[in-house]
Amino acid sequence: DTGVSQNPRHKITKRGQNVTFRCDPISEHNRLYWYRQTLGQGPEFLTYFQNEAQLEKSRLLSDRFSAERPKGSFSTLEIQRTEQGDSAMYLCASSFRAGGTPNEKLFFGSGTQLSVL
Amino acid sequence: AQRVTQPEKLLSVFKGAPVELKCNYSYSGSPELFWYVQYSRQRLQLLLRHISRESIKGFTADLNKGETSFHLKKPFAQEEDSAMYYCALTSKAAGNKLTFGGGTRVLVKP
Repeated sequence: DTGVSQNPRHKITKRGQNVTFRCDPISEHNRLYWYRQTLGQGPEFLTYFQNEAQLEKSRLLSDRFSAERPKGSFSTLEIQRTEQGDSAMYLCASSFRAGGTPNEKLFFGSGTQLSVL
Repeated sequence: AQRVTQPEKLLSVFKGAPVELKCNYSYSGSPELFWYVQYSRQRLQLLLRHISRESIKGFTADLNKGETSFHLKKPFAQEEDSAMYYCALTSKAAGNKLTFGGGTRVLVKP
């Protein structure tokens, strides 16, 4: 297991096109998170899953964004009708949560860099 | 709402000098605070968390609830400490998501 894997590493698309990113978490991790990072900013939370259930979605996330984790393993993030403002690094992270205290360690992937022309 | 502020975008220090990265947060409940680090061409990774009260790579951070701060310190900086550092906060009430600060780039000069 080489850690959290994200594909593709880079994606260039034209405005209005749909894009889909994939994240493969560390196999025994039950939580999976999606973050977005723009230049000069810290990662910004988008959504997260516990197993296959999507438990929270940022209110900043427009309806054009959708994420799935169908079998509680890998996850996909789709952006429909991309806009130039969607250009960013999309980061996936996974963790194992046991119990209720949110202090577990997140393991991040290398990210997918999206450029919308 | 929870917020994390890192006032310094860049810190440049000489090797062997002390380094302190400031982190202030706003949250009224019981937060969990973390420092994450990203070295050049590497992934974002956890450096330390306040609950563990640990020292990692010579770094320590103390949670000061009165001042709502979680500053990261190292008494003698090394060149390999050059990286981006992010302070982050989470809590049960906030739904477990991590809120990151804007990051501080540390450059340790020889």
